[in-house]
Amino acid sequence: EPEVTQTPSHQVTQMGQEVILRCVPISNHLYFYWYRQILGQKVEFLVSFYNNEISEKSEIFDDQFSVERPDGSNFTLKIRSTKLEDSAMYFCASTADRARGKYGYTFGSGTRLTVV
Amino acid sequence: AQKITQTQPGMFVQEKEAVTLDCTYDTSDPSYGLFWYKQPSSGEMIFLIYQGSYDQQNATEGRYSLNFQKARKSANLVISASQLGDSAMYFCAMREGEGGSYIPTFGRGTSLIVHP
Repeated sequence: EPEVTQTPSHQVTQMGQEVILRCVPISNHLYFYWYRQILGQKVEFLVSFYNNEISEKSEIFDDQFSVERPDGSNFTLKIRSTKLEDSAMYFCASTADRARGKYGYTFGSGTRLTVV
Repeated sequence: AQKITQTQPGMFVQEKEAVTLDCTYDTSDPSYGLFWYKQPSSGEMIFLIYQGSYDQQNATEGRYSLNFQKARKSANLVISASQLGDSAMYFCAMREGEGGSYIPTFGRGTSLIVHP
């Protein structure tokens, strides 16, 4: 069964450092998303990406965040200068058809980011 | 205002019994989709079941069924014959289409513990 792959599974970084979280969506999927989940809290939308550009972003997704799809397969989330409150599980998701969504939005296993 | 409400922070069920996890939603969009995801302690988000707003029948996937009551705006997940491996967090999510953004929005989740 096709998977969304996220690397690394766990990253520890110093406050103020830049981090890049990587995702390989399912190959025939067209819509890509990043979500985050602070420990024990709800899953929050960050950004959606379609046709090589951001289609929507939440208020959480400020200037410290950026996304890109550099090579047609990887989909990355960059946090420029990490803060303690960026510590969370970050999920990448993709779907082939957002309108029907019958097969759901496939999520990766997540990257647990710990900022110290 | 919350678009997805899960009122049960925790649920307990005996192995082999059925359990219902509640979800109510709020939308004025006629076209929407409802999802349930399972998040075990390992952290990944696993898609369980989907219900489209125009679907005439309640969705079923193996031991999972979705009790869709459109007039009440509820989409409860029913797990039949609970197994120990069903112990996890369960999230209800909705994406609005046409007049909405197609971005899945999640509820706060329900923790399910299955007792032997």
